[in-house]
Amino acid sequence: SAVISQKPSRDICQRGTSLTIQCQVDSQVTMMFWYRQQPGQSLTLIATANQGSEATYESGFVIDKFPISRPNLTFSTLTVSNMSPEDSSIYLCSVRPGTGGIYGYTFGSGTRLTVV
Amino acid sequence: AQSVSQHNHHVILSEAASLELGCNYSYGGTVNLFWYVQYPGQHLQLLLKYFSGDPLVKGIKGFEAEFIKSKFSFNLRKPSVQWSDTAEYFCAVLGDSGGYQKVTFGIGTKLQVIP
Repeated sequence: SAVISQKPSRDICQRGTSLTIQCQVDSQVTMMFWYRQQPGQSLTLIATANQGSEATYESGFVIDKFPISRPNLTFSTLTVSNMSPEDSSIYLCSVRPGTGGIYGYTFGSGTRLTVV
Repeated sequence: AQSVSQHNHHVILSEAASLELGCNYSYGGTVNLFWYVQYPGQHLQLLLKYFSGDPLVKGIKGFEAEFIKSKFSFNLRKPSVQWSDTAEYFCAVLGDSGGYQKVTFGIGTKLQVIP
């Protein structure tokens, strides 16, 4: 399965600033996903990022708040913009192997964000 | 839209006890189901998956899950838990949404195994 490197692993940010999270995969993957895991809650899909096209956002998430880049088949970034304490969460990158979900989706180690 | 329900949010067991974590899903199409585990301080790892074939799926570390279509369930089991199984367990379903596939997770079950 793919190996994902996600950074930073954690950060403490000031209200109103932005943070860009990077996700690097050791193999080419078609689809990359960004999730949020708020304290005490399950993982919620933010958006799906395909290389060469605009990211597809889930209900409740907008591009202005969570801009995503997908410049190639091994890399993606998620920016959390104009942060507020409500954005404190763990953000996870996930990939689906090129052969489809049959091998399961792999997750990065996550970025623990605290907004103060 | 697909959804996943995990009924036990926090389970405490003694070592050697048997484990069964409930998972029910809601999805009208062909289901692909997963159990993920997150050990303390670590990232999510795939425990096992069901795509087709034998509804009894065996995963890593002695875990298994049974897909019962009539009950829309995919319960996770282990006959004898160990302290090292202390973790959070997430059931997930893969389905189509708006023309593309996405994974929906349950809220998770925290398992605490007491030595």
